[in-house]
Amino acid sequence: AQTVTQSQPEMSVQEAETVTLSCTYDTSESDYYLFWYKQPPSRQMILVIRQEAYKQQNATENRFSVNFQKAAKSFSLKISDSQLGDAAMYFCAYRRRPDDKIIFGKGTRLHILP
Amino acid sequence: KAGVTQTPRYLIKTRGQQVTLSCSPISGHRSVSWYQQTPGQGLQFLFEYFSETQRNKGNFPGRFSGRQFSNSRSEMNVSTLELGDSALYLCASSRSDRNYGYTFGSGTRLTVV
Repeated sequence: AQTVTQSQPEMSVQEAETVTLSCTYDTSESDYYLFWYKQPPSRQMILVIRQEAYKQQNATENRFSVNFQKAAKSFSLKISDSQLGDAAMYFCAYRRRPDDKIIFGKGTRLHILP
Repeated sequence: KAGVTQTPRYLIKTRGQQVTLSCSPISGHRSVSWYQQTPGQGLQFLFEYFSETQRNKGNFPGRFSGRQFSNSRSEMNVSTLELGDSALYLCASSRSDRNYGYTFGSGTRLTVV
């Protein structure tokens, strides 16, 4: 069975600094998708970034980028120039092709220190 | 473009009662999935519907059921509520290819007393 592990339940970073959230996953599949979702206090899950497993290039969305290591089954999220609005719960998620549900990690709560 | 709408936002029910939660997906999205979120278990997949058919199901008891209508709106029902059913229930919709991930609603906070 596929599993997603986020080893850091909670992290803090100073405003304007860079922080990296870790995620590892377990799968025997070769073709899949990975996602990072953000859940602020408003409760709504927001898609931050997605990565297709067959693409070597790491995905980037403005201040958010990933370090995708397929062989190591690692998918970390880097947030540059952290802002107060980045404070939230971050979930790493995995989806196998072609038809399967998304499996989420337990989440990492990120605090931004002013 | 309207997002995923879940109603109600909050709900308080008594043990033994049943409850129905509603989810309206983004226009054009045909896949709707439901998740239960609790502090201890995190996000757990309940089921997914596509074109009115259940396509995937998680490991929840039969008290949890759902359905999808022809306009893609979905409902989930929980019968004989237990205290442990208290959770945030999230609905998410996606495009047919689903490779772009889900768009989530703000959830329904269910409290069972």
